[in-house]
Amino acid sequence: QQQVKQSPQSLIVQKGGISIINCAYENTAFDYFPWYQQFPGKGPALLIAIRPDVSEKKEGRFTISFNKSAKQFSLHIMDSQPGDSATYFCAASRDSGYSTLTFGKGTMLLVSP
Amino acid sequence: NAGVTQTPKFRILKIGQSMTLQCTQDMNHNYMYWYRQDPGMGLKLIYYSVGAGITDKGEVPNGYNVSRSTTEDFPLRLELAAPSQTSVYFCASRPGQISNQPQHFGDGTRLSIL
Repeated sequence: QQQVKQSPQSLIVQKGGISIINCAYENTAFDYFPWYQQFPGKGPALLIAIRPDVSEKKEGRFTISFNKSAKQFSLHIMDSQPGDSATYFCAASRDSGYSTLTFGKGTMLLVSP
Repeated sequence: NAGVTQTPKFRILKIGQSMTLQCTQDMNHNYMYWYRQDPGMGLKLIYYSVGAGITDKGEVPNGYNVSRSTTEDFPLRLELAAPSQTSVYFCASRPGQISNQPQHFGDGTRLSIL
């Protein structure tokens, strides 16, 4: 059972363009939604995260949009740069008990120069 | 501050061999995790620990064992290696129970079973 569905699987964007990655979740008990960024040969690193009490969170060129009623959230990368080329994972967890993260399958982003 | 350190970085095993993947963290984090990452499949949780002496199964625990005798170390044991265990293994840690504390990942162990 895949509790967090991520799309697209891969994405090519021109330098300066907007990259958009979408995720949908099933478990309404989830209340913490992070995005992780992974470069080749490295472990994932937290990029940005959101809680369902807000609809949008922005940090620099990275923005999370959250739609609680649709159970969807997305990552927008504005002014995409070649250095943003990486694999991006969305995830979700409950903020109770011994919470563990459920990850999406990942999106490989390539920003062409 | 080294963060989360995993050894070895690469390993090739024969079917039926056993090995231990090492993970240590120097951040005094209580929670530690083991994931496996397969191409196009994201990260799957194998085991996790919420403190020394306490471990629990994740989504894909079969074929693996863990122990947590100290706060710093969380080794993952493969007893009878199988080709299906060919994967990249990541160890992660975070301070405690509050979910918005980020997980810190090591750089992984790339394991091939032939």
